[in-house]
Amino acid sequence: GAVVSQHPSWVICKSGTSVKIECRSLDFQATTMFWYRQFPKQSLMLMATSNEGSKATYEQGVEKDKFLINHASLTLSTLTVTSAHPEDSSFYICSARGGGTDTQYFGPGTRLTVL
Amino acid sequence: AQSVTQLDSHVSVSEGTPVLLRCNYSSSYSPSLFWYVQHPNKGLQLLLKYTSAATLVKGINGFEAEFKKSETSFHLTKPSAHMSDAAEYFCVVSDSPGTASKLTFGTGTRLQVTL
Repeated sequence: GAVVSQHPSWVICKSGTSVKIECRSLDFQATTMFWYRQFPKQSLMLMATSNEGSKATYEQGVEKDKFLINHASLTLSTLTVTSAHPEDSSFYICSARGGGTDTQYFGPGTRLTVL
Repeated sequence: AQSVTQLDSHVSVSEGTPVLLRCNYSSSYSPSLFWYVQHPNKGLQLLLKYTSAATLVKGINGFEAEFKKSETSFHLTKPSAHMSDAAEYFCVVSDSPGTASKLTFGTGTRLQVTL
């Protein structure tokens, strides 16, 4: 149980284009989903928290107009990196949490490379 | 504010020998503590979780951790290392009780297992 998937697992795009990453909870309803960014050999940095049906809450320093988050259902959240630039290249990981618990279950991550 | 300190950035053990990954935490209340494992280019997998029910927590793959309030520690152990245990391990604390919590990550410990 508690499986979270992400799609795509990796993506390469040109500078200036937008990329959408999907995060799905496969066997539970995720009332809250989180998006993290991880640089090589570093820990995870929380970017934003999204609750189903409401606007995402972004961490300080994260541009909400650049990293668009939608949590339209209890099993799906999307992160769209708009007008991507090479400095946006990173490993993006989502996590999901069901109601009544503080345990987060993580997706396998998406490697984004912006050329 | 909560914080986590992983005392070793890198630990190397021989296969079949014990593993000890150290973690100290700071929290203003009785925290939830987690250990997650991350294999290269993968998401995070939950190893175990402490939630004040029992101080010795058993997790998957033979790992366990002991919560010691007097020492503010939550060290991860395994009696006998296997090659497949080679990965990055994160000690994580929940920043507040209940479902409003966010996770604070340690900087990670890379476990190397040699023949």
